[in-house]
Amino acid sequence: QQQVKQSPQSLIVQKGGISIINCAYENTAFDYFPWYQQFPGKGPALLIAIRPDVSEKKEGRFTISFNKSAKQFSLHIMDSQPGDSATYFCAAGTGGSYIPTFGRGTSLIVHP
Amino acid sequence: DAGVIQSPRHEVTEMGQEVTLRCKPISGHNSLFWYRQTMMRGLELLIYFNNNVPIDDSGMPEDRFSAKMPNASFSTLKIQPSEPRDSAVYFCASSLVGSSGNTIYFGEGSWLTVV
Repeated sequence: QQQVKQSPQSLIVQKGGISIINCAYENTAFDYFPWYQQFPGKGPALLIAIRPDVSEKKEGRFTISFNKSAKQFSLHIMDSQPGDSATYFCAAGTGGSYIPTFGRGTSLIVHP
Repeated sequence: DAGVIQSPRHEVTEMGQEVTLRCKPISGHNSLFWYRQTMMRGLELLIYFNNNVPIDDSGMPEDRFSAKMPNASFSTLKIQPSEPRDSAVYFCASSLVGSSGNTIYFGEGSWLTVV
């Protein structure tokens, strides 16, 4: 059973465009929603995270939008750059005994 | 700051051989994770330790896989005997459960090829 569903599997965007990656979860006990960024040959690294007490969090060009009633959250990358080309994973977990559940990942390519 | 350190970074081995992957978590972290990444299955959690104790090993594929954490600064993942379908990138990660954010820090991975 896939507890965190991520889409699309791959995404191609032109430089300067907006990249949008969506995730949906099933477990209402989840209360922490991080996004990880993975460059080729490297391990995933935390990019940005949100808790369900806010509907949006912005850090630079990266924004998480969170819809608790729909059990969905998304990552928006504004003014996408070739350096953003990477695989992005959404995840969900609970505080305390935290074992995150990862989505399947989205491979983003930003063309110059 | 030293991150999560994994070794070896790359390993090519023949089917049937024993493979041992090693991990040094970030000092002070109390949780350690072993993940496997493949194109087909994405990131799979194999096992999770908290305070050196295995808490959840439901992701370990079969008896050929075993993991140990003898102390807070070292863990191993062993595959014996190895099979071609074990070829993947194996990540070790650590975190400080209970801290705000619960960020997981990944190592750079051990790339395993079984021929």
